[in-house]
Amino acid sequence: GDSVTQMEGPVTLSEEAFLTINCTYTATGYPSLFWYVQYPGEGLQLLLKATKADDKGSNKGFEATYRKETTSFHLEKGSVQVSDSAVYFCALSGWEGFKTIFGAGTRLFVKA
Amino acid sequence: ETGVTQSPTHLIKTRGQQVTLRCSSQSGHNTVSWYQQALGQGPQFIFQYYREEENGRGNFPPRFSGLQFPNYSSELNVNALELDDSALYLCASSAGTTSYNEQFFGPGTRLTVL
Repeated sequence: GDSVTQMEGPVTLSEEAFLTINCTYTATGYPSLFWYVQYPGEGLQLLLKATKADDKGSNKGFEATYRKETTSFHLEKGSVQVSDSAVYFCALSGWEGFKTIFGAGTRLFVKA
Repeated sequence: ETGVTQSPTHLIKTRGQQVTLRCSSQSGHNTVSWYQQALGQGPQFIFQYYREEENGRGNFPPRFSGLQFPNYSSELNVNALELDDSALYLCASSAGTTSYNEQFFGPGTRLTVL
């Protein structure tokens, strides 16, 4: 079945460092891909999404490109801030459009 | 505009008991999905309700059941609780059932089964 694999955390960075969180997926057909963020004590929030190959989703300085040839959707940010500390989830919605499948999450700590 | 709310925030039950969790969807949304998030894991899809009917279900046993009401709020019921049911239960509302409809998540209900 469909699945999402993302890099294990925690990831610890200094402020203004470059961030990459790797995500690969297995799916039938052409899924929509998402990154969600979960801040401490808060619910999941959609960070960005891409619905077809070569689309780039972006929001709040984060971006990710839908790469069908490598089945990947890596999250990047050029300069992280302490306020970016959170858990990040890669997810997909496949042919069963009603179901969103999440990766295990990657915790990011950003030090001042 | 009120966001997605869930109640209660925390709950402690013992094995074998039954529990009901509640979710109020965002204004204008007719679809509610429920997820189970075990500690350190990503959310796992339980089921989705669209206009008071179950629209799809994940790999959860029948003792997980749900309801959606005419105002599109929803309940998740779990019978015969097991220790492994301890988790954060999230609901998400959306304006439709497809992946093009953004899901808005509530803060969750933390269930502990002793």
